[in-house]
Amino acid sequence: AQTVTQSQPEMSVQEAETVTLSCTYDTSESNYYLFWYKQPPSRQMILVIRQEAYKQQNATENRFSVNFQKAAKSFSLKISDSQLGDTAMYFCAFTHSNYQLIWGAGTKLIIKP
Amino acid sequence: GAGVSQSPSNKVTEKGKDVELRCDPISGHTALYWYRQSLGQGLEFLIYFQGNSAPDKSGLPSDRFSAERTGGSVSTLTIQRTQQEDSAVYLCASSARTGEVRYGYTFGSGTRLTVV
Repeated sequence: AQTVTQSQPEMSVQEAETVTLSCTYDTSESNYYLFWYKQPPSRQMILVIRQEAYKQQNATENRFSVNFQKAAKSFSLKISDSQLGDTAMYFCAFTHSNYQLIWGAGTKLIIKP
Repeated sequence: GAGVSQSPSNKVTEKGKDVELRCDPISGHTALYWYRQSLGQGLEFLIYFQGNSAPDKSGLPSDRFSAERTGGSVSTLTIQRTQQEDSAVYLCASSARTGEVRYGYTFGSGTRLTVV
């Protein structure tokens, strides 16, 4: 079975600090896609960053970057210069199909002023 | 529309009643997905549509759950004889076509269903 595990239920950091959220996954597939989504109180899931498994280069989107370790099946999200607006639930997700995402349980991130 | 629209935003219903949740995808998106998010958990896949057909209904938790999509646009998720364990946020997403999940979906803001 394919699973996604987020081991940090909640994290809290000061504004402007850097924070890393952890995610591990389990699959026997060789080609797949990984995602980090943000869910603010509005409930709408917002795509933060995605990674294609066949690409060794780690994805980067402005202050957001990932550390993708394929052999270890690890996909962590680093948020640099954290801002109050980054406060949200963050979900790691995985897919190798053409329609279904498999999700972790989420990490609640609180940015303190 | 410009985004994925879901209604109602919140719904409180009595145990045993039927409810209908509506999703209006982005205009022109042929693929539509329903997920359920229970408290403290990630999203659970329910069903997806390509056009008006549902190739995979395997995520529907019981025969009390059904969904349809008409005109390749709006979809309705129906829960009959609601139970307290049905309380959750129901999220809908769409993409231009099946297969584009690798680029990520566009989600609506969900319907929070509370069964009392």
